[in-house]
Amino acid sequence: GQNIDQPTEMTATEGAIVQINCTYQTSGFNGLFWYQQHAGEAPTFLSYNVLDGLEEKGRFSSFLSRSKGYSYLLLKELQMKDSASYLCAVRDSGDYKLSFGAGTTVTVRA
Amino acid sequence: DTGVSQNPRHKITKRGQNVTFRCDPISEHNRLYWYRQTLGQGPEFLTYFQNEAQLEKSRLLSDRFSAERPKGSFSTLEIQRTEQGDSAMYLCASSSSPFGAYFGPGTRLLVL
Repeated sequence: GQNIDQPTEMTATEGAIVQINCTYQTSGFNGLFWYQQHAGEAPTFLSYNVLDGLEEKGRFSSFLSRSKGYSYLLLKELQMKDSASYLCAVRDSGDYKLSFGAGTTVTVRA
Repeated sequence: DTGVSQNPRHKITKRGQNVTFRCDPISEHNRLYWYRQTLGQGPEFLTYFQNEAQLEKSRLLSDRFSAERPKGSFSTLEIQRTEQGDSAMYLCASSSSPFGAYFGPGTRLLVL
């Protein structure tokens, strides 16, 4: 099974940077994913890490350390539209199903 | 292609009734997943299809739940004798590779 932990809520100011941490304990590991979910909508794919290190995609970056069971999602130059829930998900040794954390609700204030 | 679609988007039913949801994946995707999400929680895995074969069912999926994917295209999820605890968002996702799955808009079920 998987145990995935992330903070429940974070608040930041427009234009600032926020880092969302995710720790996991898994019986197997084959990739870590970050999804964004606006209220009442479906999750949308943001990033994927399978090797250690930083993956950068525009204003969003994701980092992975497999030895520490740790990842973070970095959101730069925050915009009001970034207010959403951010879900950390781990894929087990197989190559299909994802196990999700409860999500981190990020609120961006003007 | 407009992505994964799900119907209906909302369903209100009385306890004890049966409901069926439909998911149409992205056309070239051979993998299809069903998840369930309740308020304040992340999606929970229910079941997975590769083409028409159902390869795994979660322990969350009681005998009242059944899913099919005839001919490896669209999928249906049926809940028999619904209970109030079944109220949730039911999400379908599809993928064609080990990379990220793409989610549909979900079906929100309310059991009265």
